[in-house]
Amino acid sequence: KQEVTQIPAALSVPEGENLVLNCSFTDSAIYNLQWFRQDPGKGLTSLLLIQSSQREQTSGRLNASLDKSSGRSTLYIAASQPGDSATYLCALTGANSKLTFGKGITLSVRP
Amino acid sequence: GAVVSQHPSWVICKSGTSVKIECRSLDFQATTMFWYRQFPKQSLMLMATSNEGSKATYEQGVEKDKFLINHASLTLSTLTVTSAHPEDSSFYICSVSLPGSGNTIYFGEGSWLTVV
Repeated sequence: KQEVTQIPAALSVPEGENLVLNCSFTDSAIYNLQWFRQDPGKGLTSLLLIQSSQREQTSGRLNASLDKSSGRSTLYIAASQPGDSATYLCALTGANSKLTFGKGITLSVRP
Repeated sequence: GAVVSQHPSWVICKSGTSVKIECRSLDFQATTMFWYRQFPKQSLMLMATSNEGSKATYEQGVEKDKFLINHASLTLSTLTVTSAHPEDSSFYICSVSLPGSGNTIYFGEGSWLTVV
């Protein structure tokens, strides 16, 4: 059974700092990995999708990497802003499009 | 724009009543939709897979008679929480996989259910 771990559960950084959010998983037989953002009381927004055959994806200030051999993914946020404050979840797609989520990392960027 | 629409966003109901949550795919047909539940500070957990024109597939531990799923058309799936209890208070969210998107999963806005 796939298990997804995101540590730490919460992170607070000053504005402008570059930061890395970590995600680890136990089963490398995945179809893809996605990073989502969840704002309080809101639904999920897909940030980046990395296919199983890919190593990384970039979108603006965000860069996500995938290393299946070590069971790790990272989400890099450059020059963090207060508007980046949210909960970030990673999720892996296995068979039949079912996702397994981590518990998320709640990020707070201080002005 | 939004790919998946979910309604209502917030609902408060009394214990013992039933609540229906709708999930609609916008501008495309979704033969399969997924329903998740998230308790505070917990992971999103898959409840069931909704299949158009057939019975939903429920995950272990999810009561199918309590969480009724109907996927009567290619653009609409509904989740009905029957005889709701306070412990059913949670965040419910649906998702679909957009055809041709590399299996990107899109989520509805989610529905916050509070049972009092």
